[in-house]
Amino acid sequence: QKEVEQNSGPLSVPEGAIASLNCTYSDRGSQSFFWYRQYSGKSPELIMSIYSNGDKEDGRFTAQLNKASQYVSLLIRDSQPSDSATYLCAVNIKGAQKLVFGQGTRLTINP
Amino acid sequence: DTEVTQTPKHLVMGMTNKKSLKCEQHMGHRAMYWYKQKAKKPPELMFVYSYEKLSINESVPSRFSPECPNSSLLNLHLHALQPEDSALYLCASSQVERQNSPLHFGNGTRLTVT
Repeated sequence: QKEVEQNSGPLSVPEGAIASLNCTYSDRGSQSFFWYRQYSGKSPELIMSIYSNGDKEDGRFTAQLNKASQYVSLLIRDSQPSDSATYLCAVNIKGAQKLVFGQGTRLTINP
Repeated sequence: DTEVTQTPKHLVMGMTNKKSLKCEQHMGHRAMYWYKQKAKKPPELMFVYSYEKLSINESVPSRFSPECPNSSLLNLHLHALQPEDSALYLCASSQVERQNSPLHFGNGTRLTVT
């Protein structure tokens, strides 16, 4: 089992709809979770971090964490074509000074 | 604009060349990282420096040699690379003191080995 798993997509969502991105992780002791957005040819950009169970909202983005289910998700409301990118889920493995990335989900917002 | 600066943005080198990638941050972070990213793959950790000391080497071939001259600078020295080493090389930094702190990435160096 991979440490961090994401559906690679592509995920196509119409403009204005909600995009839902999902991620599962294997280390039950993981304590910090991040979502990065990466445009083609660019570097990853941090868009959300979440550390405790529940929802965390920032503008059009909502991160959701369920440690019991070892599941973290990212919702993008009112999706825009500029949201089209690859979204990387990253988990800080307990006791290790490194992030483990999922394979990334390629998201396309259709006008 | 990113607060982690990498130079050069692009680099083409032959298999017999020696070159260096450079990274600089002024966020006061004491952990710095090198990642390698191939097309359509996630970033893959290479090295971690904590307080200017190498703390993680992910079994990287010796043709890649990292160096951390001070708390703001990180270099990656390249020698006798192979074409399959062509990739986007990403530098990142984070606060060591906070184990849960996120990584801040530079814009990367696009390396092509011919």
